[in-house]
Amino acid sequence: GQNIDQPTEMTATEGAIVQINCTYQTSGFNGLFWYQQHAGEAPTFLSYNVLDGLEEKGRFSSFLSRSKGYSYLLLKELQMKDSASYLCAASSGGYQKVTFGTGTKLQVIP
Amino acid sequence: EAQVTQNPRYLITVTGKKLTVTCSQNMNHEYMSWYRQDPGLGLRQIYYSMNVEVTDKGDVPEGYKVSRKEKRNFPLILESPSPNQTSLYFCASSPFDRGDSPLHFGNGTRLTVT
Repeated sequence: GQNIDQPTEMTATEGAIVQINCTYQTSGFNGLFWYQQHAGEAPTFLSYNVLDGLEEKGRFSSFLSRSKGYSYLLLKELQMKDSASYLCAASSGGYQKVTFGTGTKLQVIP
Repeated sequence: EAQVTQNPRYLITVTGKKLTVTCSQNMNHEYMSWYRQDPGLGLRQIYYSMNVEVTDKGDVPEGYKVSRKEKRNFPLILESPSPNQTSLYFCASSPFDRGDSPLHFGNGTRLTVT
């Protein structure tokens, strides 16, 4: 079966750093996606991790530990426009199976 | 511009009246999929297609049908809609030629069934 857990909501201050955690239990696991979704809009791709470790992409970084079934998304120098939902998604079974978590709604406050 | 186009964006209908939500992509992607998004439940996969004439059930296929007669199009059909199908629907495509190929989403269709 597939099970993905992430916090429902988080609040952080503009300019700060926030870490959004995701744990997964997925058979045939391939890799872990992070997507950003602003209210009323489509999800957009942020990152993909297949190997253990940290991948950095500008203000956003993503970490994966395959042995622990754990990932996190790190957002630095938070901006008001980063207020959005962040979706963790695990791919499995030859890539075509992508299972999403329920998303973490991040509110950035001044 | 590379994109996934869904229509309509908003749809209000009544129970039992058949409807189709269209989805088209211009990126020559092999893989297409339909998701529904509900508060507290996240994105759940309805059906997906690996190629023309190849479709398979996702996690919540009951009450839905799909077809893939052409590579670019992947319509979602609700033969007899019910109120529990009120939701936000997303179509997505991907080349899935490698593991890190992301999903490209359409702008969504907000469906209300009364």
